[in-house]
Amino acid sequence: GQQLNQSPQSMFIQEGEDVSMNCTSSSIFNTWLWYKQDPGEGPVLLIALYKAGELTSNGRLTAQFGITRKDSFLNISASIPSDVGIYFCAGQRMGQGAQKLVFGQGTRLTINP
Amino acid sequence: DGGITQSPKYLFRKEGQNVTLSCEQNLNHDAMYWYRQDPGQGLRLIYYSQIVNDFQKGDIAEGYSVSREKKESFPLTVTSAQKNPTAFYLCASSIGGPNEQFFGPGTRLTVL
Repeated sequence: GQQLNQSPQSMFIQEGEDVSMNCTSSSIFNTWLWYKQDPGEGPVLLIALYKAGELTSNGRLTAQFGITRKDSFLNISASIPSDVGIYFCAGQRMGQGAQKLVFGQGTRLTINP
Repeated sequence: DGGITQSPKYLFRKEGQNVTLSCEQNLNHDAMYWYRQDPGQGLRLIYYSQIVNDFQKGDIAEGYSVSREKKESFPLTVTSAQKNPTAFYLCASSIGGPNEQFFGPGTRLTVL
């Protein structure tokens, strides 16, 4: 099945730094979702986006639905140790396969105190 | 509290044995999903069900089977036909379509 192209695959940053990651696809998407997964746990939904150009915040997290409908971005401001984990993007494609979500490969975030 | 439960958290089986993973939700969600996650990988869809007594194959259904006899329950059986069953299995549900899926805590299956 199709996977989204998520980058970077991993990030090593200092506490307090801002973080940016993105997902891209060659297909058009109706919906973009961003999840965070802690080790050995299920992913937790952070932000859901439904309109092209939409910019939504959840605390220090901000995500955007790309204007072309083929990409999405997640920013984390002033990172703290509990931000450590794997961040996944997911999207619902238009047309064929619309009943399923497509997931990115994940961005592993590591924070040095 | 509403949520999704998966049991057990860890499961060990001998090669050649079938094993069933439990997934229960009390969110009154219509749709339920099963994913497989391998180390360092994203989530791959095994099966999904949008309504009771109906389910569809996902991207990697071979060697797996499911049932959806009740709205709250969507058990996954990993059969002996699955060539490489050791993985982390995640169940999810959503209120209707695939949007905003909520995940359970996962079951780590190890086949010895």
